[in-house]
Parts: sequence; structure tokens; C-alpha cells
Amino acid sequence: DAKTTQPTSMDCAEGRAANLPCNHSTISGNEYVYWYRQIHSQGPQYIIHGLKNNETNEMASLIITEDRKSSTLILPHATLRDTAVYYCIVKMYNFNKFYFGSGTKLNVKP
Amino acid sequence: GAVVSQHPSWVICKSGTSVKIECRSLDFQATTMFWYRQFPKQSLMLMATSNEGSKATYEQGVEKDKFLINHASLTLSTLTVTSAHPEDSSFYICSARYSRGGYREQYFGPGTRLTVT
Repeated sequence: DAKTTQPTSMDCAEGRAANLPCNHSTISGNEYVYWYRQIHSQGPQYIIHGLKNNETNEMASLIITEDRKSSTLILPHATLRDTAVYYCIVKMYNFNKFYFGSGTKLNVKP
Repeated sequence: GAVVSQHPSWVICKSGTSVKIECRSLDFQATTMFWYRQFPKQSLMLMATSNEGSKATYEQGVEKDKFLINHASLTLSTLTVTSAHPEDSSFYICSARYSRGGYREQYFGPGTRLTVT
């Protein structure tokens, strides 16, 4: 699986958009980009995933660059409850295993 | 979304004893489940893949005789930490693979905090 690089931590003001970047320069053509988050002392929660096109759901938007070497997770209106560690994972759709990197600790501040 | 539960949510045991942690998929059947371990301020580390009706496959460096995995039914996998020691104290998380038609997703349990004294 391709490796990912994320900033260690980020701050965001409550109510503003949180933009979390992820680099995956060695991604292969059949690998998807997944985003999960982990609120303190809980299990990871699925957010969104995509292959090439930008994706949006009720939680977030995923923007994938045209060359697919990087992506950005956007939380449009961050709240204090969005404070968590966000993990960007790259894997093939049918490949079962998830290997977590170090993630980005997002601190949403009032 | 699908729900995965774990029991217990936390457990304290004495060094040398064994502890069993259960992982259940509540509203779907999961032929494959996964076990992770997470130390404080670290990321999740995949320990093993639990396959219903067959032996688990372990990641490199994980002692299979210490971490016994049993996936006896389509909704239950158990992880037994045998002869636990303080260094086994960790947050153990399971996940279950939901598969329906061409759709696949993986759902995580809430985790079990193990403290070995």
C-alpha cells in the first residue's frame, strides 16, 4: 500500500472550515483514499473515501488532485466535537487491511 | 451505518492472567474481522486478521501464541491475551468488514482498555 504523509497537528476556529491535507505521492491507479477519524479513547469513525473524483457526504468533502498525489479533507463548519485525530489511508478497494499512519490531530478552538 | 461492539469496554487484570475481549457485529455478518492495538499517543497497529471458520493471520512481529484469536461465528471474534504482562496494557480495537454486493466498508468497535497490574 502507498504511504501517506500528514501534518502532525492543526488548529481550526469553531465554525470555520477545516482543511486537512494528505500527501500520497506513490499512490497506484487502483488505490482509493480513505479518511477516518478517532475521537479520544474511541474507535475510528469512517468519514469518506474516493478514487479520482471529488466526493461529498453529510460529514465532509474530499478533494483529490488531478494527479492523485494528494488530497484534502474539508470539514465545512468545524465544531468542538470535530476535535480528533484524522487519518488518511490509501488502499485498494478490495484489500481488507487498513494500515494507519500517524494522522493529524485537529484542534477545534472556540 | 453498521454497528460493531466490544466487551468489555475496559478491564484490569493481574500479571500472569489471561483476558478475553469480544468483538461483535450487531446487525450484519462479518466473515472477516481485524484486531488492532493502540498505545498512548500512538496510532493503531494492525495485529491480526480474524477469519470465520479458519485460523487467524497475524502481522509480522505479533506473537500468535500470546494473542489467541477465535472467530467462531459470523458475528463474533474473540481476542485472548494470554499470560498478560504490564507491557500488554493498551487499547485494543476490533473492526469488521461489511460486504454487500459490490459495496464494502469496514466498521470499528469502540475499543477495550486493558490495564495489567
